Amino acid sequence: QQQVKQSPQSLIVQKGGISIINCAYENTAFDYFPWYQQFPGKGPALLIAIRPDVSEKKEGRFTISFNKSAKQFSLHIMDSQPGDSATYFCAASYAGAGSYQLTFGKGTKLSVIP
Amino acid sequence: EAQVTQNPRYLITVTGKKLTVTCSQNMNHEYMSWYRQDPGLGLRQIYYSMNVEVTDKGDVPEGYKVSRKEKRNFPLILESPSPNQTSLYFCASSLGWGLGQETQYFGPGTRLLVL
Repeated sequence: QQQVKQSPQSLIVQKGGISIINCAYENTAFDYFPWYQQFPGKGPALLIAIRPDVSEKKEGRFTISFNKSAKQFSLHIMDSQPGDSATYFCAASYAGAGSYQLTFGKGTKLSVIP
Repeated sequence: EAQVTQNPRYLITVTGKKLTVTCSQNMNHEYMSWYRQDPGLGLRQIYYSMNVEVTDKGDVPEGYKVSRKEKRNFPLILESPSPNQTSLYFCASSLGWGLGQETQYFGPGTRLLVL
C-alpha cells in the first residue's frame, strides 16, 4: 500500500514562530504533493501544492520545501498566527494508468498560542 | 455558490439498519470520492468515481457501496452498518485527475454513530 508518513502528530508553536510539518513518501511515481488545512467542524481545503519539478513553492506565509532525492516534503508556516490553528494533512498522488487516488498522511494538529 | 453538499450532517443508527449518505456537487466535476476520517488514522479513501457509471475501490471499501448514475451525485450506502463504521465521512470532488485537476473540494462532513 502506498504510504505517506507525516510528523509530528501534534505541534504547539508560539505566535510569530515558525511551524514545520514533515512528510515522507515511498512511491517515486508520485508527482503531485498538496497540503490540506482543516478547521474544526469543517472539511479539508487545499492550502498549497507542489510538483517535483521545483524544490520550493511559496504562497504568502506558507512554503512547501521538496526534496526529491530524500523523498520528503515539508510545510513551513512563517509568523504563525492563532488563526493558523488547525489540522494539516499532506498528501501525494500520481496520474498513472489505473491510479486515481490521493494518499493522505495522518495529519498534524497545530496549535498556535498567543 | 460552488460547493459539495452532504446529507445528513449527523446520523445515529443501529447495527444492521441500511443507510445512505447523499453527496452532490454543482461544479460539473468528473471525479468524486468518499473518505472516512478517524482519530490518529487521517483520511482514508473508501471509493472513488472517475465519471458516471465508473467507480472503483479505495483503501477501505469493505462494508460500503457507491453508485454514480448522475454526474453531480455520488451516494454512499452502508447496507448493514456495524459499530466499526462509526466515523466522520467526507465527500469530495475534483475537476478531473492529473494536469492540475486533482484539487479536491470537500463537503462539510457527515458524523455517523452506529450503536
